[in-house]
Amino acid sequence: DTEVTQTPKHLVMGMTNKKSLKCEQHMGHRAMYWYKQKAKKPPELMFVYSYEKLSINESVPSRFSPECPNSSLLNLHLHALQPEDSALYLCASSQFRDDQPQHFGDGTRLSIL
Amino acid sequence: AQTVTQSQPEMSVQEAETVTLSCTYDTSESDYYLFWYKQPPSRQMILVIRQEAYKQQNATENRFSVNFQKAAKSFSLKISDSQLGDAAMYFCAYRVQGAQKLVFGQGTRLTINP
Repeated sequence: DTEVTQTPKHLVMGMTNKKSLKCEQHMGHRAMYWYKQKAKKPPELMFVYSYEKLSINESVPSRFSPECPNSSLLNLHLHALQPEDSALYLCASSQFRDDQPQHFGDGTRLSIL
Repeated sequence: AQTVTQSQPEMSVQEAETVTLSCTYDTSESDYYLFWYKQPPSRQMILVIRQEAYKQQNATENRFSVNFQKAAKSFSLKISDSQLGDAAMYFCAYRVQGAQKLVFGQGTRLTINP
């Protein structure tokens, strides 16, 4: 069982829609991450939240808007996406220690029509 | 810039045999951490094993072990007694001390032949 829960597992949306991806963890981790993964490629970091504050934005287009309402929740708000944004979106969390690994969720498979 | 290279896009092994996946990295840092993750078709990235650069002893987790050669900047993964459930994409990853960003290699797809 994954300790990082992502919903929904699959999402199909049009380019004019607004939707949100959700991520939840109850491991007490204070760092949370969003990744984008295209088929047969490694995950690409998008955002990092540290103690509920945005600490890293990897020059992600503004049509992706992250939010961290509390230490257990991470959202990714989507608006006016492009077909090239179709991908697997992975959430991860970790303790705020260098030697601790990131724990990943199962991801949301996003398709943009 | 730190880079991680996995030179084997695909590997296959017979069930119960041993296989080694290679990983090299480029860094000027002295303190860092290395990880191997597996990603089966179920999509979840699962930590297989990790190594602290300051430790000379190679990490071992049951059937999984690493050969960490710091001077050569090499971090290979050995899987002993391969099982069908080991079939997955394997990613090598690096993180420098004090940084939150994981740098991933391109991955190696491992197939287990029954």
